[in-house]
Amino acid sequence: GAGVSQSPRYKVAKRGQDVALRCDPISGHVSLFWYQQALGQGPEFLTYFQNEAQLDKSGLPSDRFFAERPEGSVSTLKIQRTQQEDSAVYLCASSLSSFDEQYFGPGTRLTVT
Amino acid sequence: EDQVTQSPEALRLQEGESSSLNCSYTVSGLRGLFWYRQDPGKGPEFLFTLYSAGEEKEKERLKATLTKKESFLHITAPKPEDSATYLCAVQANVYSTLTFGKGTMLLVSP
Repeated sequence: GAGVSQSPRYKVAKRGQDVALRCDPISGHVSLFWYQQALGQGPEFLTYFQNEAQLDKSGLPSDRFFAERPEGSVSTLKIQRTQQEDSAVYLCASSLSSFDEQYFGPGTRLTVT
Repeated sequence: EDQVTQSPEALRLQEGESSSLNCSYTVSGLRGLFWYRQDPGKGPEFLFTLYSAGEEKEKERLKATLTKKESFLHITAPKPEDSATYLCAVQANVYSTLTFGKGTMLLVSP
């Protein structure tokens, strides 16, 4: 079946612009996670949803970052007033339940100029 | 705070030259240890989950083992297509999020 998909794959934003990154999880997967991966580093947790409920947002670096999953399926990660330090790959992952293995999408590479 | 340290940072092997990658961890109650493979420009690809010390899992040329403080990913007779970054992650009892190490970049030359 289809895996996790993310769009856009690449995004270039000017500093100060708002961006929205989309994640389509595997059908039927209850849990959805967002990670940020800097070059040469492992993914770092941002936020976690179980169905439509955002159960953990402790990894969001600032109040400029906002995530939602209104119908318990597709999720959007929004970054307001982008800064250069926001440049990274943003990965989305989904799993059947919170303790099952997570399956990752291809990521969105965000470059803030 | 959960911590994961992977070594070496990079490893270059000749085709057929077996070796091991290390993942050391500290976590407040291990729920599971995960190994992922990541190719350039792609998301991590799930390989294995290990739950308890002494557990081993195999897939083709890869074998993952787990002790109370570390995990090893053994690569037997690697091929060039095994070249990738291998990521280790831990999941603690209380939280369901993964804490990743920085990864080991493996290059297998023909």
